Order: sequence, then structure tokens, then C-alpha cells
Amino acid sequence: DQQVKQNSPSLSVQEGRISILNCDYTNSMFDYFLWYKKYPAEGPTFLISISSIKDKNEDGRFTVFLNKSAKHLSLHIVPSQPGDSAVYFCAASIGGGGKLIFGQGTELSVKP
Amino acid sequence: EAGVAQSPRYKIIEKRQSVAFWCNPISGHATLYWYQQILGQGPKLLIQFQNNGVVDDSQLPKDRFSAERLKGVDSTLKIQPAKLEDSAVYLCASSLGSRSYEQYFGPGTRLTVT
Repeated sequence: DQQVKQNSPSLSVQEGRISILNCDYTNSMFDYFLWYKKYPAEGPTFLISISSIKDKNEDGRFTVFLNKSAKHLSLHIVPSQPGDSAVYFCAASIGGGGKLIFGQGTELSVKP
Repeated sequence: EAGVAQSPRYKIIEKRQSVAFWCNPISGHATLYWYQQILGQGPKLLIQFQNNGVVDDSQLPKDRFSAERLKGVDSTLKIQPAKLEDSAVYLCASSLGSRSYEQYFGPGTRLTVT
């Protein structure tokens, strides 16, 4: 049972444009959502998060939007840079940290 | 601040053999996690430790996998005997506490079972 889904395995964007990565979830008990970024041969690194009591969180070029009614979140990167090329995972948690449920990941390629 | 350390980085074994992975978390982090990441999938939690006690091992295949965290610092994950489907990257992560959302991951150990 895939509780967190990233339906796009890959995304290609031109440098300077917006990248939008999407994530859907099925469990309404999730109350915290995170995005991780992963480069080849490295572990995932935390990027940005959002609590279920909010619908938007912004950190520099990165903004995460949460639509609870649709059980959908998205990560916007503006403007996209070649260094943003990586695999992005969304993850969800219930009740105060600990176990994270990850999506399958979306590979972003930002072309110069 | 030193990150999460893992060794070895790569391991190739034959099925039915045994293998062990080591993890040293960030200093002061009480919570340690082992994840399994199969190619094309996201990381899946195998076991979570709070200090040297197990918090969640519901997805650990206990007939072949075991993990320990002696003295609440380093941890080892063992597979005995290995199966072909165990081929994956094994990631160790740590966080300040069990209620800390942000987890810091090590580089992982890539296991290939032939």
C-alpha cells in the first residue's frame, strides 16, 4: 500500500524557469510533510517541510504548498538552477516525528 | 559538525551469505534509523532506535535481519542469510529526538546480492 505517491518519475526544466514537483498521499492522519533532495552516491538531505496546519511554507527559492482536501502537496523551485538537478523525495509523518513514509522520488533535470 | 558515517560504502555478496553494516550517527543524536532503498523506490524504514531501545521494527524481516545499537551510539545492521531481493542501498539516519522531523542521512551502503 503506497501511502505517499510521486507519479512523475522524471521532470526536465530549463534553467531559470519554475520546477513543480508533485506528491499525493492517502492517509489523512499524516500531519507533517517534508521534501528531501538526493544527489547520486549521497544520502538524502532535508530541504523544506510543512505542517498540516499550514498551506504554504517558503524558504528562499523553495516553496511547498499543501492542499489537504486534495491530499496533495507540491514543491516549487523558482528560479531553477542546474545545481538543483537531483532526485526529490516527498515524505510524510504522523504524530510528532519518527517514522517517515517516502514517495518513490522524482528525478529533476535542470538544463542550462 | 561531522555527518552520519556509514561503512562499507559498497558490498557484493552471494545469496545465503551474511553481511553487516555499520553506522555512526551525529554526536548527540538520540534517535537512529535504518532504511532500505530499493532501486526506483523511496527509502523504507526498517528499524528506529531511541538511545539503545527499539521504537519501531515493524517492517524489519526478523527472520533474517537484525540490528543493535549498543551504548546508544553506533549501530550495526546484519543480514543472515542474504537473498537476491535484499539488493538495495541501506541508509542510516539520525535525529536529535524521536519527535524531531528532520533526519540526517548518511551516504548509504550499496549491497548487491548475486
